[in-house]
Amino acid sequence: GEDVEQSLFLSVREGDSSVINCTYTDSSSTYLYWYKQEPGAGLQLLTYIFSNMDMKQDQRLTVLLNKKDKHLSLRIADTQTGDSAIYFCAPDLGGSQGNLIFGKGTKLSVKP
Amino acid sequence: DARVTQTPRDKVTEMGQEVTMRCQPILGHNTVFWYRQTMMQGLELLAYFRNRAPLDDSGMPKDRFSAEMPDATLATLKIQPSEPRDSAVYFCASGLGGHGELFFGEGSRLTVL
Repeated sequence: GEDVEQSLFLSVREGDSSVINCTYTDSSSTYLYWYKQEPGAGLQLLTYIFSNMDMKQDQRLTVLLNKKDKHLSLRIADTQTGDSAIYFCAPDLGGSQGNLIFGKGTKLSVKP
Repeated sequence: DARVTQTPRDKVTEMGQEVTMRCQPILGHNTVFWYRQTMMQGLELLAYFRNRAPLDDSGMPKDRFSAEMPDATLATLKIQPSEPRDSAVYFCASGLGGHGELFFGEGSRLTVL
């Protein structure tokens, strides 16, 4: 079946940039999403990229997509302690009417 | 402020008991998803509905789990009988079909002793 791989942990210092990487297998994904989960809460959509783009910038967030290598990354500039959370990569299943496949999530810890 | 509402937030029960979790999707959303989150497996899709019709429940153990949408404002996930391995956080999410912006509830934490 389709699969999404992410590293489980990332630790950075406040003010540094964070880069969270993701690889996926479904080459027919139309949109690829990043969700954020804070402790004790549900997931919230952070940003997304359309599959015919290779970069999208949204304030401190930059999403890079390498469709050939099926690699997606999320860069957070000037990381703050409030960015500490679990980040999920979630490509849609091509033609799936909003059905996403989630990675296991990367837990970002930001040290002051 | 529209949000997905899930009840109960926390449930502790004994093995063999029936558990029912409820979800009120955002008004106007036509897709509803049930996910289960554990440390080992991450986020697993259990079932999803579009316009109240079940589209995929292949991720759900059929012998003990059932999911329904009796009406557009209520989705239920039932486990009967419950087992310790069902202990997890269960999330409901709703969205508009065709787009992957899903709105998640705060989850129902289930502990089966």
